[in-house]
Amino acid sequence: EIVLTQSPATLSLAPGERATLSCRASQSISTYLAWYQQKPGQAPRLLIYAASNRATGIPARFSGSGSGTDFTLTISSLEPEDFAIYYCQQRKTFGQGTRLEIK
Amino acid sequence: EVQLVESGGALVQSGGSLRLSCAASGFTLSIHWMSWVRQAPGKGLEWVANIKQDGSDKYYVGSVKGRFTISRDNAKNSLYLQMSSLRAEDTAVYYCAREKLGSDDFDIWGRGTMVTVSS
Repeated sequence: EIVLTQSPATLSLAPGERATLSCRASQSISTYLAWYQQKPGQAPRLLIYAASNRATGIPARFSGSGSGTDFTLTISSLEPEDFAIYYCQQRKTFGQGTRLEIK
Repeated sequence: EVQLVESGGALVQSGGSLRLSCAASGFTLSIHWMSWVRQAPGKGLEWVANIKQDGSDKYYVGSVKGRFTISRDNAKNSLYLQMSSLRAEDTAVYYCAREKLGSDDFDIWGRGTMVTVSS
């Protein structure tokens, strides 16, 4: 079973800054990786699929990259509404999440 | 509008049973694999079960095998999760999620329904 490890657990940044979130797979998964955003009291929302494709309606400041075992979600310039928890996912496995909080 | 709406969550005693429902609208349910994903309070996401378009194939996470049953009624645009022998560790928000065509990603989620199992 593939294990996804996200880092850091918590990231503290200010609005306008660039956020870089990491997801590492325990074995190669090609580009079969998705990213989700979850805000308190809400369901997760698909942001990125197939490692680098933005889902419908997702702003261009969100981008994904990587292949094999190392993946990155980048938010180019943080907006106030971007502070949330982010999960990576491959097949039926989720990472443990990265909490993006306001500094 | 594409939408999933869960219902059926409740407070139940350990060992009890519960049936969750998920009503789909705004899209053709019958062409999608569908899943249930849960989230324990303050914890991350855990996939629970999924079901093929015609209901012929079903898969479960190990911790619920033999206790939970996923099913669907495409004519009623509905997905179900029958839960029995409930344990305290089953306490979570249960989300219904649509699997994106041709992939394992979850592109549409419901708002979730809370299941609390008291011991």
